[in-house]
Amino acid sequence: EDKVVQSPLSLVVHEGDTVTLNCSYEVTNFRSLLWYKQEKKAPTFLFMLTSSGIEKKSGRLSSILDKKELFSILNITATQTGDSAIYLCAVSSNTGKLIFGQGTTLQVKP
Amino acid sequence: NAGVTQTPKFRILKIGQSMTLQCTQDMNHNYMYWYRQDPGMGLKLIYYSVGAGITDKGEVPNGYNVSRSTTEDFPLRLELAAPSQTSVYFCASSYLRTDTQYFGPGTRLTVL
Repeated sequence: EDKVVQSPLSLVVHEGDTVTLNCSYEVTNFRSLLWYKQEKKAPTFLFMLTSSGIEKKSGRLSSILDKKELFSILNITATQTGDSAIYLCAVSSNTGKLIFGQGTTLQVKP
Repeated sequence: NAGVTQTPKFRILKIGQSMTLQCTQDMNHNYMYWYRQDPGMGLKLIYYSVGAGITDKGEVPNGYNVSRSTTEDFPLRLELAAPSQTSVYFCASSYLRTDTQYFGPGTRLTVL
């Protein structure tokens, strides 16, 4: 059975800290891994990763994929209160379906 | 360009009632999806559609039905609401097999 597991499930840090969120997967016919940020409403797209070892970066956020070890990490440096959200990892297969992890709830305190 | 829209935003149902959650996208996307998200959990796929007239089951289809008569609309039907269907429902769409899915704002459903 395909599965995506995220850790930790929740995390509390202070502004300025650096955090690393983890996502491991077992998915048949892997196509890509995606990270989403979910605040009060719908998930919004952050990154899509298809190749191992190539870091994707957007401002203070970065992510990398290891297809051999079947995991990805999402790093956030110099965290701000606006980074507080649920971060969702999802893996897509060649059928086009997305399998989501449980999410990591990040709280950044001032 | 509104993207993916969903109605209603909130709804309370009694056990055994039925309702339809509406989803519309104006991006001319072929793929559309329905997910549910329970507290502290990720999203689980209920049904998806690869184009008008074609639908298929996801991980958790029991208790739901869908139809796709047009490219734009993908309604989700609950026939006999049960407390286990209390959840937040998200509709999403994507262009062909492109992996980036665009999500609607969600419908919060409570079944009492």
